[in-house]
Amino acid sequence: QKEVEQNSGPLSVPEGAIASLNCTYSDRGSQSFFWYRQYSGKSPELIMFIYSNGDKEDGRFTAQLNKASQYVSLLIRDSQPSDSATYLCAVKVGRQLTFGSGTQLTVLP
Amino acid sequence: GAVVSQHPSRVICKSGTSVKIECRSLDFQATTMFWYRQFPKKSLMLMATSNEGSKATYEQGVEKDKFLINHASLTLSTLTVTSAHPEDSSFYICSAYKNRAGPSNQPQHFGDGTRLSIL
Repeated sequence: QKEVEQNSGPLSVPEGAIASLNCTYSDRGSQSFFWYRQYSGKSPELIMFIYSNGDKEDGRFTAQLNKASQYVSLLIRDSQPSDSATYLCAVKVGRQLTFGSGTQLTVLP
Repeated sequence: GAVVSQHPSRVICKSGTSVKIECRSLDFQATTMFWYRQFPKKSLMLMATSNEGSKATYEQGVEKDKFLINHASLTLSTLTVTSAHPEDSSFYICSAYKNRAGPSNQPQHFGDGTRLSIL
């Protein structure tokens, strides 16, 4: 069983819509959860992190964490074509990060 | 701005060549750096944890004699792919935590990555 699972997609949404990205993890000792965006050929860049149950909002992005269900999600409101990228969920245990396989998002103009 | 610098950004070389990749922390000291490898359309896989002044910790399945890591200073870690072969072609990325004793929720900062192509 993979430690961090994501739907690989591709996920396509029209411009202006809400994109919903999901991630589940297996290690209940996981402490922090991160969402990274990776454009093709580039290294990951941090979008958000969350470590408490509930929602955390930052601009158009909202991260949601449910530790009981071992589930973390990322909502992107008012999606823009520039949001088209692969989104990586990463889970931290200790000082190590474990990444999911990523979800490819395409925002259609 | 960038907090981790990685060089070179791209390497193309012949099979059998050894390739060195540098990872530098900018304006902070990194006692620990991480080296990842990413194959096309795959996720980042941790290869090893580089520890300043001591041996690197390698993940299961990663050959330490193949991927030599040196972390001789608080701002520089190097990864040398020895006698590289086509199957070593990949995207190699390093990262570091900016605050050594920072909170557990602090993110890793990534370098821009090195695209290695072995002919």
